Amino acid sequence: SQQGEEDPQALSIQEGENATMNCSYKTSINNLQWYRQNSGRGLVHLILIRSNEREKHSGRLRVTLDTSKKSSSLLITASRAADTASYFCATKGAGGSYIPTFGRGTSLIVHP
Amino acid sequence: DADVTQTPRNRITKTGKRIMLECSQTKGHDRMYWYRQDPGLGLRLIYYSFDVKDINKGEISDGYSVSRQAQAKFSLSLESAIPNQTALYFCATSDLQTGGIETQYFGPGTRLLVL
Repeated sequence: SQQGEEDPQALSIQEGENATMNCSYKTSINNLQWYRQNSGRGLVHLILIRSNEREKHSGRLRVTLDTSKKSSSLLITASRAADTASYFCATKGAGGSYIPTFGRGTSLIVHP
Repeated sequence: DADVTQTPRNRITKTGKRIMLECSQTKGHDRMYWYRQDPGLGLRLIYYSFDVKDINKGEISDGYSVSRQAQAKFSLSLESAIPNQTALYFCATSDLQTGGIETQYFGPGTRLLVL
């Protein structure tokens, strides 16, 4: 079963606006990653945040993690039409036997 | 050249046919995964392999089988294809790093249509 659940399922914004998507999960994790998928293509890793971290930045991306609420958010600032894609969170427990578990994704459309 | 390749990229087959989807990687990773993606359902794990001798079922393994021929190759077979196996299939690879970190690298996908 899927561990992470992204919210909203779909998001439509204008170029230049910020886009925020959220991921909630059920069990304790070691780390959480966000991936991006352009239409019909393979997922590409964006950013990772460890369970002992609260915030990470990478370019226009900002990720937060609240382990007490079992949730994470991905903020894309000053969005561009090229940011149009689906975004997935993947959670992973500690230990080698755990594998990444993906949510259903948020579909983001950025209108020029 | 792509690090993770999948063949074929597109396939149309008929109900009852056996087909094989292949995945190759040049990243030297031990772990390989097969997922299917259906609209609105995200990625669902079919099978995964931690090394050549370690193969595990995922959440939707019924109707599928796999073969890990080498570290670099992981094949997915549909023994007798049915229409509800129509989907986009992805292969992914990863290595387990210090601290439990595991970043996956995905192939370009195989679009399968079962008539």
